[in-house]
Amino acid sequence: DAGVTQSPTHLIKTRGQHVTLRCSPISGHKSVSWYQQVLGQGPQFIFQYYEKEERGRGNFPDRFSARQFPNYSSELNVNALLLGDSALYLCASSFSPRQGSTPEQFFGPGTRLTVL
Amino acid sequence: TQLLEQSPQFLSIQEGENLTVYCNSSSVFSSLQWYRQEPGEGPVLLVTVVTGGEVKKLKRLTFQFGDARKDSSLHITAAQPGDTGLYLCAGSGNEKLTFGTGTRLTIIP
Repeated sequence: DAGVTQSPTHLIKTRGQHVTLRCSPISGHKSVSWYQQVLGQGPQFIFQYYEKEERGRGNFPDRFSARQFPNYSSELNVNALLLGDSALYLCASSFSPRQGSTPEQFFGPGTRLTVL
Repeated sequence: TQLLEQSPQFLSIQEGENLTVYCNSSSVFSSLQWYRQEPGEGPVLLVTVVTGGEVKKLKRLTFQFGDARKDSSLHITAAQPGDTGLYLCAGSGNEKLTFGTGTRLTIIP
């Protein structure tokens, strides 16, 4: 079975532009989470989606948004890019989060975003 | 805000030596996970510890969860070059993972 896939693998944008990152979860997984990993740091939680609904949001500005599609794939959108948005954006999928639990998450290889 | 501090931040040792990496927090987590991440890849789950005081072994790696479920340690015996990577602890709670600051481990052949 294929693991979590993300596209594109690398992306270069300039300040003020917007970007859309895509994630396909492992087959059968209904939950997708997004993380931002700045160079030299651990990943920071951005969003979690389950069955197309937002289940959690991290401490990120409204420039960050996401959605999940009926096939459980997901997009992360970032508007008005800033230099500080340069990071590795990771997507993780999990089978089914019980309310209040955190099941095992499987990570994709990430999208490396560079903002110039 | 839940914070997880890892120490040391960087560690470079000779092949065959032993090492311990620490993960500490002031918050209680329902479970704690350890990941290893290699350049250009996403984190890969090594282990999940759930019960306070729990010890799990994965070949040469030994993971321990603190009695109060606020801290954890990873001990590697006879380190090998293949152990090189970024080691991340992550606490589970409120349906999200809170990652630690990471320990970058380099094993010198």
